[in-house]
Formats: sequence, structure tokens, C-alpha cells
Amino acid sequence: GAGVSQTPSNKVTEKGKYVELRCDPISGHTALYWYRQSLGQGPEFLIYFQGTGAADDSGLPNDRFFAVRPEGSVSTLKIQRTERGDSAVYLCASSLSSGPSHEQFFGPGTRLTVL
Amino acid sequence: AQSVTQPDIHITVSEGASLELRCNYSYGATPYLFWYVQSPGQGLQLLLKYFSGDTLVQGIKGFEAEFKRSQSSFNLRKPSVHWSDAAEYFCAVASNTGNQFYFGTGTSLTVIP
Repeated sequence: GAGVSQTPSNKVTEKGKYVELRCDPISGHTALYWYRQSLGQGPEFLIYFQGTGAADDSGLPNDRFFAVRPEGSVSTLKIQRTERGDSAVYLCASSLSSGPSHEQFFGPGTRLTVL
Repeated sequence: AQSVTQPDIHITVSEGASLELRCNYSYGATPYLFWYVQSPGQGLQLLLKYFSGDTLVQGIKGFEAEFKRSQSSFNLRKPSVHWSDAAEYFCAVASNTGNQFYFGTGTSLTVIP
């Protein structure tokens, strides 16, 4: 079956612009996670959804970052007034349900470059 | 707070040689521990995980890892490395609720013929 997909695969934008990154989880997975991976670093937790609600958004770095999952499936990560420091690979993962016993399946990521 | 340290940034091994990748964690209670592999252009793939019970866990692709509470370690091993194992390897620990994963900085593995 299809895995987690993310679009676009690459996004180049200018400082100050607004961007949206999309994640399509595996069908039937109720939990969805966003991570950010900077060069030479491991993934860093941003936010986690269980169903439609953001169950934990403590990893979002500031109020320029926002994510939604209105119908409990596709999620969009939104970044306002982008800064050069936002350049990274943004990873999405989904799992059947929340909790560590459920494997998180990762998408290939969206590489964001802010010029 | 939870954290993971992977002391080796880069490791080079010969094909057929054994491999050990180090991982040390910081966590107050019994941790949930994971090893992931990331190949170029691919998403992270789970190799194995430890929750409780037998401290030696088997994973996919011939990998295994041993949980040692006394050393706060969860090292990944493989007895004979294949060229296709060249990739980035990440160790991770899950939070109390299991919904936040804390990843190490990764170890890049190069396999030489």
C-alpha cells in the first residue's frame, strides 16, 4: 500500500514569504507527527495530532509555525514570515494510533530552502 | 528531560566486517528506545525497538541491539555488514507518553568493498 507522502519534495522561497507543506498519511492512521531535521542533526519533534486535534504542539519553535489537520487525514504545516533559519527538511510521520507501541512511518520529507 | 547521544558522527567499515553503533540515552524511567535508518532520498525506517523484557532485541536486515540499563546504552550491532547498509543511523528515545521522540544526531555509515 501507499506510504506517507509529502509535497512538495523541495520548496525554495524568499525570506519573509509564507509557505505550506503538505503531508498525506497512511490511510487509517489516526496519529500524525511533524518533525524538522536540520543539516547534520536528527529529527526534532514539532507537533503531534491525534485525529483532528493537535495533542501536543510543544515543539513548534514560535508562533510563525502552525499546523492543521481538519479532517483527521491530510495535514498542512504552515510557516509565516519565513526566515533563513527555517531552512531544513520537514518530515511527517503517521502511526495507527498514538503511543510508542505503534510504529511511526515516515515520509521522504520536504526540503525547505529560505533564501 | 530525555536526550540521546550518538558519539560517533561517522564510521567506516569493510564489507563483511562486524558493526557496532553506539547510543547513550538520558531518561528517568524505563525508556522506550528505537533505532532508525535513513538512506539518501528515503524516509526514516524503523530497524528495531525496545520497550521491556529481553534486553537483546532483534530487528530487520540482520540488526540487533542490546539495552544496558547500567550503562544507559542501546548499541546497535550487525555481525556482517553489507554494502547496502551504508546510510545514516539514528537512535531515539520516546517521551513518557510515547508521543514525542528524541533523536540523536545520527551516525553516518560508510561501507568499503
